[in-house]
Amino acid sequence: DIQMTQSPSSVSASVGDRVTITCRASQGISSWLAWYQQKPGKAPKVLIYTASSLQSGVPSRFSGSGSATDFTLTINSLQPEDFATYYCQQANSFPLTFGGGTKVEIK
Amino acid sequence: EVQLVESGGGLVKPGGSLRLSCAASGFTFSYAWMSWVRQAPGKGLEWVGRIKSKTDGGTAEYTAPVKGRFSISRDDSKNTLDLQMTSLKTEDTAVYYCTTYSKTSYYFDHWGQGTLVTVSS
Repeated sequence: DIQMTQSPSSVSASVGDRVTITCRASQGISSWLAWYQQKPGKAPKVLIYTASSLQSGVPSRFSGSGSATDFTLTINSLQPEDFATYYCQQANSFPLTFGGGTKVEIK
Repeated sequence: EVQLVESGGGLVKPGGSLRLSCAASGFTFSYAWMSWVRQAPGKGLEWVGRIKSKTDGGTAEYTAPVKGRFSISRDDSKNTLDLQMTSLKTEDTAVYYCTTYSKTSYYFDHWGQGTLVTVSS
């Protein structure tokens, strides 16, 4: 199975900050990576797919980059509604696997 | 608007069975690949299984911990997706989400609100 390791596990940031979350795959997954945002008590919502494609309706302050084993989700100018937990997910091979999550908290 | 509404969750004893359903609307269900993802209380996301559209073969894949115990099926005439769960274990306790699965980009693009399954004696 491909292990997905996210870092940091949590980050404290202020409104207006830039936040960067990384996701490392235990083996190469090309660009088959998606990022999700989940707020407490709600279902996850996709932000980015195929590593860097922005899902329709997602604000442009979210961006993704990377390939093979190292990926990054960047949130530019953090907004109050962005405080949530973020997950990466690989789709290169079964079983599909998620990272452990990164909680973005208010500083 | 895509809508996915799960039902069927509840409390079940270890070793018991439960069937979850997902009612889909707002898209052509018969063409869609579908999936189940679960989340144990306070934990991260875990993919459970995925089923292709019948036109693409209708086959299902599962994660190892549920293989042989869980089964995904679909009824394209009713726009419903089911998850039959048997031999349930306490570690199956989770919120179960029904999702659509992009067959071109391989991600979960729409999610239901989830249904809680609690396995406890």
